[in-house]
Amino acid sequence: EAQVTQNPRYLITVTGKKLTVTCSQNMNHEYMSWYRQDPGLGLRQIYYSMNVEVTDKGDVPEGYKVSRKEKRNFPLILESPSPNQTSLYFCASSLFAQQRTSGYTFGSGTRLTVV
Amino acid sequence: QQQVKQSPQSLIVQKGGIPIINCAYENTAFDYFPWYQQFPGKGPALLIAIRPDVSEKKEGRFTISFNKSAKQFSLHIMDSQPGDSATYFCAASIRGTSGSRLTFGEGTQLTVNP
Repeated sequence: EAQVTQNPRYLITVTGKKLTVTCSQNMNHEYMSWYRQDPGLGLRQIYYSMNVEVTDKGDVPEGYKVSRKEKRNFPLILESPSPNQTSLYFCASSLFAQQRTSGYTFGSGTRLTVV
Repeated sequence: QQQVKQSPQSLIVQKGGIPIINCAYENTAFDYFPWYQQFPGKGPALLIAIRPDVSEKKEGRFTISFNKSAKQFSLHIMDSQPGDSATYFCAASIRGTSGSRLTFGEGTQLTVNP
């Protein structure tokens, strides 16, 4: 089944403890992206990647890191999480960097709580 | 700064009603306008999309109306059903050298009562 898989689905952590949220897609998509979803703010882009070893900042990149060493994986790294990073996170992928009719395929989300 | 403004924040209709969700944008470089539907516990899924050279697009019970001069677009759901209860996001895409950037509206939580 074509899908974007995120892990974990739920995570509670403490301030300052490094964590990684994994994202993997099995569709050979070029483009991958991370979004955070907060009430009243919609989805805001954190980082995106056009292809292997090519990443760029989105609208809210502060406090996050990403890497794209393989085409299928795009992990999101929080080196020193803070409470304002408590949010619902989504990974998405698209066949081409210039996405059009196919749209994005989203994962099921990771709910992160930083205490 | 929210580049795509969406309203209303929430909407309740009766079964068979026609909910309308509106979005407005400022950047005339946006060239693709998709709508996403999100059910609780799931990621958003592409519902329908339109390009700015078209004023209306219909897919089943879902219709996008697009007004390029007013920089506004809206989603209409005909004969709404309880199963349409979800959060709806409008979005706008802009081409860049690093690929398309998709900017989302704030979202509208739709409830369709039986």
